[in-house]
Amino acid sequence: KAGVTQTPRYLIKTRGQQVTLSCSPISGHRSVSWYQQTPGQGLQFLFEYFSETQRNKGNFPGRFSGRQFSNSRSEMNVSTLELGDSALYLCASSFRAQGSSYEQYFGPGTRLTVT
Amino acid sequence: AQSVTQLDSHVSVSEGTPVLLRCNYSSSYSPSLFWYVQHPNKGLQLLLKYTSAATLVKGINGFEAEFKKSETSFHLTKPSAHMSDAAEYFCVVSEEGNKLVFGAGTILRVKS
Repeated sequence: KAGVTQTPRYLIKTRGQQVTLSCSPISGHRSVSWYQQTPGQGLQFLFEYFSETQRNKGNFPGRFSGRQFSNSRSEMNVSTLELGDSALYLCASSFRAQGSSYEQYFGPGTRLTVT
Repeated sequence: AQSVTQLDSHVSVSEGTPVLLRCNYSSSYSPSLFWYVQHPNKGLQLLLKYTSAATLVKGINGFEAEFKKSETSFHLTKPSAHMSDAAEYFCVVSEEGNKLVFGAGTILRVKS
């Protein structure tokens, strides 16, 4: 089974621009979550989509948004980029595992650099 | 809100010696706990998970973790370190279904 794929892997943008990142989950997974990883703040939850609906959201400004398509692929968008948005953006897909836990499988990430 | 605290930011061991990475959690109910590993410039890989079925959890690559409710701990161990174990390790608690809350991470260095 193919893993979670993210495109592009690397991206360089200028302040004020917007960016769209893409994530394709593992086949059969309907939940996609996004995380931001920075040296200062560590790994932080952005949002989760399930069956095309945002199910949960972290504490990020409205410049960060996302969506999910009927094939479970997801995109996240960041508008009006700031230098502090430079980070590794990780996507994770999941299915309901045994019991009440949800195992999440992560993609390799998109490294965004804002200049 | 749930949280995890990783007690060591860096751990250094010699190859062939035991590994201990410490994690304490805070949760208002029985949590789901995970350990993930991240090799340089790579995504996160699930090592193991605890979901109340058994307190001693076995994971991949010889890693284990023991859930101790009385101590609110979920420490990660491995009997014998290998050079390929050098990476950053994250203790994680699941909150509100699929929302994961990560610890700050522990960088494991393995000396030859």
